[in-house]
Amino acid sequence: NAGVTQTPKFQVLKTGQSMTLQCAQDMNHNSMYWYRQDPGMGLRLIYYSASEGTTDKGEVPNGYNVSRLNKREFSLRLESAAPSQTSVYFCASSVDRGRLTGELFFGEGSRLTVL
Amino acid sequence: AQTVTQSQPEMSVQEAETVTLSCTYDTSESDYYLFWYKQPPSRQMILVIRQEAYKQQNATENRFSVNFQKAAKSFSLKISDSQLGDAAMYFCAYRGVQGRFGAGTRLTVKP
Repeated sequence: NAGVTQTPKFQVLKTGQSMTLQCAQDMNHNSMYWYRQDPGMGLRLIYYSASEGTTDKGEVPNGYNVSRLNKREFSLRLESAAPSQTSVYFCASSVDRGRLTGELFFGEGSRLTVL
Repeated sequence: AQTVTQSQPEMSVQEAETVTLSCTYDTSESDYYLFWYKQPPSRQMILVIRQEAYKQQNATENRFSVNFQKAAKSFSLKISDSQLGDAAMYFCAYRGVQGRFGAGTRLTVKP
């Protein structure tokens, strides 16, 4: 019972490099999310997808792009990584359709370091 | 915009004792949900308890219970009979039209 799976778990990048974080869920959830976690700031929403084919900006979208590839998969791309993007990234999903008020199910997180 | 405030960056409790973690939020919505998540050192986010805003009765899950004061916009978490395994970061979260997480409270449990 995998739940939400995100890869890679760890990544070190140099400033200016690009990378994609992959996320897949096997719970047939409608909504998917990308958060970043920084010390003292909790989790902040980067982008979300309320349904297949739609994506919307969250609190901190600058420097990121997303793709909802299908109902299962939601990827996060850093086109030109910056040291300020050093963080732990979490993918999450919820069953919600429409109003996003349900329980979030999280992946194990990906630690990204940008040198 | 909604905000969620956890005013206690760190808390400690003696094993078997009770501890309360505070959370306040700001919203103009009437229909929303509140959650407490636990994050142990493994980094995995685990749901502890949830509360629907339209329900007056406080949610409970075994040793975990909440004190939900809608008018005061307060949502505290009480952990009874604390165990070593309760040591973790605890995040309060609001979900409505928008969602927000608090900054977290690090709970230490002393044997």
